[in-house]
Amino acid sequence: EIVMTQSPATLSVSPGERATLSCWASQSVSSNLAWYQQIPGQAPRLLIFGASTRATGVPARFSGSGSGTEFTLTITSLQSEDFAVYYCQHYYRWPYTFGQGTKLEIK
Amino acid sequence: QVQLVESGGGVVQPGGSLRLSCAASGFPFSSYGMHWVRQAPGGGLEWVSFITYDGSSEYYPDSVKGRFTISRDKSNTLYLQMNNLRPDDTAIYYCVRQRTGGGYSSFAYWGQGTLVTVST
Repeated sequence: EIVMTQSPATLSVSPGERATLSCWASQSVSSNLAWYQQIPGQAPRLLIFGASTRATGVPARFSGSGSGTEFTLTITSLQSEDFAVYYCQHYYRWPYTFGQGTKLEIK
Repeated sequence: QVQLVESGGGVVQPGGSLRLSCAASGFPFSSYGMHWVRQAPGGGLEWVSFITYDGSSEYYPDSVKGRFTISRDKSNTLYLQMNNLRPDDTAIYYCVRQRTGGGYSSFAYWGQGTLVTVST
């Protein structure tokens, strides 16, 4: 099983600032990496697939980068609706696994 | 628009069984692989099962293999049969459509989930 590790567990950032979230895979997942946003009480929402491609309707302030084992989600100019929990996930082979999540909170 | 509506959750005793359903609409159901993903209260996400677009193959993590069975039918419904339930199966269960029809793919559409509680 490929283990996904996210850092930090909690990130405190002020509105309007930039947030950088990291995700590592215990072995290469190529670019088969997705990021999801989950607002409390809601289902997760796909933000990024293929490590760097924004899903339909996702604002341009969200960007993903990386390949192999190291990945980054960057959110520029944070808006109030961006404060949520973010999960990375690989879909390289079975079983698909998620990171433990990064909670992005208002500073 | 894509809609996924789960049902069948509830409270069940340890060792019991439950069958979840997911009514799909807004897309050609028979063309897409489908998943179940769960989330324990206050916890993270765990992939639970996958079935190919044509139902010919299924995949499970070790945590549920041999206890859970995913299936689908021509009425655009996805199922998850859960047997020998344990307290650590307590979670919200989400029905998910992958982004592409086949192959390895991200999770593009999620239902709102149905809560399963395993407790005496």
